[in-house]
Amino acid sequence: DIQMTQSPSSLSASVGDRVTITCQASQDISNYLNWYQQKPGKAPKLLIYDASNLETGVPSRFSGSGSGTDFTFTISSLQPEDIATYYCQQYDNPPLTFGGGTKVEIK
Amino acid sequence: EVQLVESGGGVVQPGGSLRLSCAASGFTFDDYAMHWVRQAPGKGLEWVSLISGDGGSTYYADSVKGRFTISRDNSKNSLYLQMNSLRTEDTALYYCAKDTPGGHFDYWGQGTLVTVSS
Repeated sequence: DIQMTQSPSSLSASVGDRVTITCQASQDISNYLNWYQQKPGKAPKLLIYDASNLETGVPSRFSGSGSGTDFTFTISSLQPEDIATYYCQQYDNPPLTFGGGTKVEIK
Repeated sequence: EVQLVESGGGVVQPGGSLRLSCAASGFTFDDYAMHWVRQAPGKGLEWVSLISGDGGSTYYADSVKGRFTISRDNSKNSLYLQMNSLRTEDTALYYCAKDTPGGHFDYWGQGTLVTVSS
């Protein structure tokens, strides 16, 4: 099974800061990597698919990059409404797996 | 508008069974694979199971293989998860999620809570 190692597990940043989260796969998954945002008490929401494609309606301050085993998710300018937990997820092959999540807080 | 509405959660004793349902609307149900994803209280997301659009292919996480069965009734636009031999570690909020041809989950339900406790 493919393991997804996401870091950091939590971070605190100021409004306007650039925030970066990384996700490493235990084997090559090409670009089969998605990023989700989950706010407290809500279902996850797709932000980025295929490593770097922005889902329709998602603000352009969110972006993703990477391929193979190493991936990066970036919020270019953190906003108060971005407070959430973010998850990466691979879909190279079942079983599909999620990273452990990154909780983003405002400093 | 795409809607996914889960039901069937509840409290069950260890070793018991439960059947979850997910009612889908707003899209051509049998065109898409569907998933179950769960989240234990205060924990991260865990993928549980996948079923193809025609129901012919199914996949499971190792943690539920042999105990859970995913199925669908395309005539009723419904997805199911039969959960047997439940364990305390199966306690979680269970989401159904719609797949896309690209393999990402573009729509999620609100979840149904399963509590396994004596």
